[in-house]
Amino acid sequence: HLQESGPGLLKPSEILSLTCTVSGGSMTSFYWSWVRQSAEKGLEWIGRIGDDGNTVFNPSLRSRVAMSLDTSRMQFSLSMFPLVAADTAVYFCAREVGPVIPPAHFDLWGQGIAVSVAS
Amino acid sequence: DIQMTQSPFALSGFIGDRVTITCRASQTIGDSLSWYKQKPGHPPELLIYGASTLKSGVPSRFSGRGSGTEFILTIDSLQPDDVATYFCQQGLRAPRTFGQGTKVELK
Repeated sequence: HLQESGPGLLKPSEILSLTCTVSGGSMTSFYWSWVRQSAEKGLEWIGRIGDDGNTVFNPSLRSRVAMSLDTSRMQFSLSMFPLVAADTAVYFCAREVGPVIPPAHFDLWGQGIAVSVAS
Repeated sequence: DIQMTQSPFALSGFIGDRVTITCRASQTIGDSLSWYKQKPGHPPELLIYGASTLKSGVPSRFSGRGSGTEFILTIDSLQPDDVATYFCQQGLRAPRTFGQGTKVELK
């Protein structure tokens, strides 16, 4: 089970901080990802963090995002700065299994949190 | 980035119909292709991974096939609960990318 938390309404140039709390399992041997969904761009992968703390980001967002992992609290987090109106979307946290055996896929998703960026 | 293109954008069928959705990748991805089902207000839900492996608990009327650049999702006997939007996603390369979705409705 994954659950996102964070603010829902922000202004342009502010920072977005979201946390995903993991329950009912271990954080090891998985990649922990953020995916967002908007009407304009559809489903967009933001990036992931491994259980070793290594990160991979979408090049289109790399300059504005950071991720962290706290296995003791069973949480991982996303930061995005500075925000623009186009960052308005539903943000999902997701668990990625793989990536080779089995082929990479997202087997667990949070319910999503709606984030609106407007002045 | 690997571009994923689905067709059709939308389709409708009668209960019991067989429906198919195609997903094409802009470069070969082997079998690193997953299918998800999403209902409004809910997150995507994994149906199939590795192009053809059904997630445990997913009804057997769903099946996937393909490799390389062309993949197909089939629903053998359309049911009311299958009304949703379906997405494909490649897992071979970062950034992970998704198709634009295919909306399935009942006639």
